[in-house]
Amino acid sequence: GQQVMQIPQYQHVQEGEDFTTYCNSSTTLSNIQWYKQRPGGHPVFLIQLVKSGEVKKQKRLTFQFGEAKKNSSLHITATQTTDVGTYFCAGWLNTGFQKLVFGTGTRLLVSP
Amino acid sequence: DTEVTQTPKHLVMGMTNKKSLKCEQHMGHRAMYWYKQKAKKPPELMFVYSYEKLSINESVPSRFSPECPNSSLLNLHLHALQPEDSALYLCASSQTTGSGANVLTFGAGSRLTVL
Repeated sequence: GQQVMQIPQYQHVQEGEDFTTYCNSSTTLSNIQWYKQRPGGHPVFLIQLVKSGEVKKQKRLTFQFGEAKKNSSLHITATQTTDVGTYFCAGWLNTGFQKLVFGTGTRLLVSP
Repeated sequence: DTEVTQTPKHLVMGMTNKKSLKCEQHMGHRAMYWYKQKAKKPPELMFVYSYEKLSINESVPSRFSPECPNSSLLNLHLHALQPEDSALYLCASSQTTGSGANVLTFGAGSRLTVL
């Protein structure tokens, strides 16, 4: 079954409101990556977190990696309509061979 | 050149047809991937090639046949597909496989419809 879960599945906000998506893995991850997929588009890499407890910022986006390296979050401050899309976390799982497994995704809709 | 190019962008095929999806990258990446994505779902890994050798096959039905002719090209041959195989097929590449600092660069995808 799906090993990397995200909540919420979907969120609709007004422009200017904040947004957070949470990512939880059933196993410890060596690192976590975040991708954004615009409607009709393809996943585009945003950031990678490697260290336990790491926090990184990209303008209005703040990414955190949990202390146990099993969870992560993405927070967007003051959303804009350009933030619309689906946000996926992804982790490298070691199942004999290492493979990148995507979380279930959170779809964000921003109304002007 | 930091792109992954996929062709065709759209493909409609019958269940008895044989077709191929193509993917090309010129970033010098040695790992290439096929993912399948259904609507409102995450990408699901199908195949991984590392240094032109198939390293992961995620129990994909044999009607999907991958091929990596060289380090820049990746094909997915399709034969006797079912309507439930309709999806967006994403090709991606990374420097190598594994959790080092490997970030995937995705192509725009091939949207497949099986009638």
